[in-house]
Amino acid sequence: EPEVTQTPSHQVTQMGQEVILRCVPISNHLYFYWYRQILGQKVEFLVSFYNNEISEKSEIFDDQFSVERPDGSNFTLKIRSTKLEDSAMYFCASSEDSYDTDTQYFGPGTRLTVL
Amino acid sequence: QKEVEQNSGPLSVPEGAIASLNCTYSDRGSQSFFWYRQYSGKSPELIMFIYSNGDKEDGRFTAQLNKASQYVSLLIRDSQPSDSATYLCAVKMKGGFQKLVFGTGTRLLVSP
Repeated sequence: EPEVTQTPSHQVTQMGQEVILRCVPISNHLYFYWYRQILGQKVEFLVSFYNNEISEKSEIFDDQFSVERPDGSNFTLKIRSTKLEDSAMYFCASSEDSYDTDTQYFGPGTRLTVL
Repeated sequence: QKEVEQNSGPLSVPEGAIASLNCTYSDRGSQSFFWYRQYSGKSPELIMFIYSNGDKEDGRFTAQLNKASQYVSLLIRDSQPSDSATYLCAVKMKGGFQKLVFGTGTRLLVSP
């Protein structure tokens, strides 16, 4: 069964460093998403991406964040200068379309720890 | 203002019982509703979705939606210890917005 994959599974970085989180969405899916979940808190939407551009973003997704689809398979989230409060699980998701009933499938996540 | 609310639990049920998980949402424009299961340290795993008022069954799971009351629930029949997890309610609003708005989740404990 096709699945979303993410690398690395765990990333440790120093405050102020740049990190890139990588995702490979399900191959026939057109919409891609990033969510994050701070330990003990709810899953929060960051950004959605379609046709090589951002279609929606949350207030969390400020200038420190960017997304890119560098090739036909990868989808990346870059955090330019990490802060302690960026420590969280970051989940990539993808969906075939954006219909109301279209379901988003989540990858296993990358645990980001900022020291 | 909270948009999707769930009782954090834990909800404890014995093996074989019916577990009932509830979710309320504040935006009347919400169009579709999803239930995800999340084991500790893992990612959300889709159980089912519902968008029409009434019941929708899938195996041991039944989702119920009442848009007038802004209420959605998930029933798990014949609960198993492997069902012990956090159940996340997620809502998608109408109008081409793709984001899912999640509740904090309800932790379910099924005892053998």
